[in-house]
Amino acid sequence: DTEVTQTPKHLVMGMTNKKSLKCEQHMGHRAMYWYKQKAKKPPELMFVYSYEKLSINESVPSRFSPECPNSSLLNLHLHALQPEDSALYLCASSQASGSWEKLFFGSGTQLSVL
Amino acid sequence: GDSVTQMEGPVTLSEEAFLTINCTYTATGYPSLFWYVQYPGEGLQLLLKATKADDKGSNKGFEATYRKETTSFHLEKGSVQVSDSAVYFCALSESNTGNQFYFGTGTSLTVIP
Repeated sequence: DTEVTQTPKHLVMGMTNKKSLKCEQHMGHRAMYWYKQKAKKPPELMFVYSYEKLSINESVPSRFSPECPNSSLLNLHLHALQPEDSALYLCASSQASGSWEKLFFGSGTQLSVL
Repeated sequence: GDSVTQMEGPVTLSEEAFLTINCTYTATGYPSLFWYVQYPGEGLQLLLKATKADDKGSNKGFEATYRKETTSFHLEKGSVQVSDSAVYFCALSESNTGNQFYFGTGTSLTVIP
């Protein structure tokens, strides 16, 4: 199994809603990531978890709250989002926290904030 | 700091044409270099990679050679197909920056029959 699975594929939410994005991998990878991608732009790193501990937070607003319940799962909790947060949210994983490993990406959650 | 510069797009080619997408990088150490491809509505997929100077990565007819002297990693394919239409991202990863990947801005390729 070489997949990173993200759910849901599409999400529409209002600015007062609370929702969660989910990501799962069963490759035994110990590093997991959240990226945000706006249309026609490269992915921007949001968070990195290494061995289930948050290791990088790229100054992301607190309305985004990541969680890593175990080594296979990564969540992104959303609350009080703004319309400018509409984007494709990508989860990725890699074997270890190092420089030589490739990233495996999920297909993403297309988020629209109304 | 580390960075990746890609040629501006979009690129439109006829089927069976030769493709080159330029990528140059700036790094403080000895990075690994990658090309990722993103098909419409999907996440990124690793296309090929090279981990040291003069390495050639290849996959699905695409090739790129790690050139340290010119700090480049240009993507080439001899004969593109309609199914190659996608956005291509050059990226680097370096031990000095921990777990970070630096992506280029992406180059959109459209292949017409």
